[in-house]
Amino acid sequence: EPEVTQTPSHQVTQMGQEVILRCVPISNHLYFYWYRQILGQKVEFLVSFYNNEISEKSEIFDDQFSVERPDGSNFTLKIRSTKLEDSAMYFCASSEAAQGPPLHFGNGTRLTVT
Amino acid sequence: SQQGEEDPQALSIQEGENATMNCSYKTSINNLQWYRQNSGRGLVHLILIRSNEREKHSGRLRVTLDTSKKSSSLLITASRAADTASYFCALPNTGGFKTIFGAGTRLFVKA
Repeated sequence: EPEVTQTPSHQVTQMGQEVILRCVPISNHLYFYWYRQILGQKVEFLVSFYNNEISEKSEIFDDQFSVERPDGSNFTLKIRSTKLEDSAMYFCASSEAAQGPPLHFGNGTRLTVT
Repeated sequence: SQQGEEDPQALSIQEGENATMNCSYKTSINNLQWYRQNSGRGLVHLILIRSNEREKHSGRLRVTLDTSKKSSSLLITASRAADTASYFCALPNTGGFKTIFGAGTRLFVKA
């Protein structure tokens, strides 16, 4: 069964550094998402992406964050200048449509900012 | 946008017992979904129930939806230790492009 893959599985970075988290969504899916989960807390929506543009974003997704689909297969999340509070699991997801069909999640990237 | 609220926050049962988790929400929905998350892993979709459905089954899972009470329940029958995980209800944002997850119920099944 096709799956969403994320790399790296664990990223450690120093405060103020830029990080890029990578995802390969399921190939025939059209909608892409990033979520984050701070340890032990709820899964929070960051951004959705469709037709090469952001379709919706949360208040968490400020100017420090950006997303890109550079080559038709990868979907990336960039954090320009990381803060300690950015430490979390970041999950990529994809779906066939915006409403109804389930989201397919990757296994996440654990980001640790020191 | 709305978010489902799961109840209880945590549940500990013996293997073989049934586990029931509930989700309440505030505004009308097109569908409601349940996901499972094993520790340190991504979420896995379990079941979707549409607003015109009242009950749905998948293996040992039974989901009900009461739109008049704005609530849903997930029942896992004959639980196994491998069912130990967090379970989330999720609501697609009507007319939007996001699915919002509740805080989840942590289920622990003791062997």
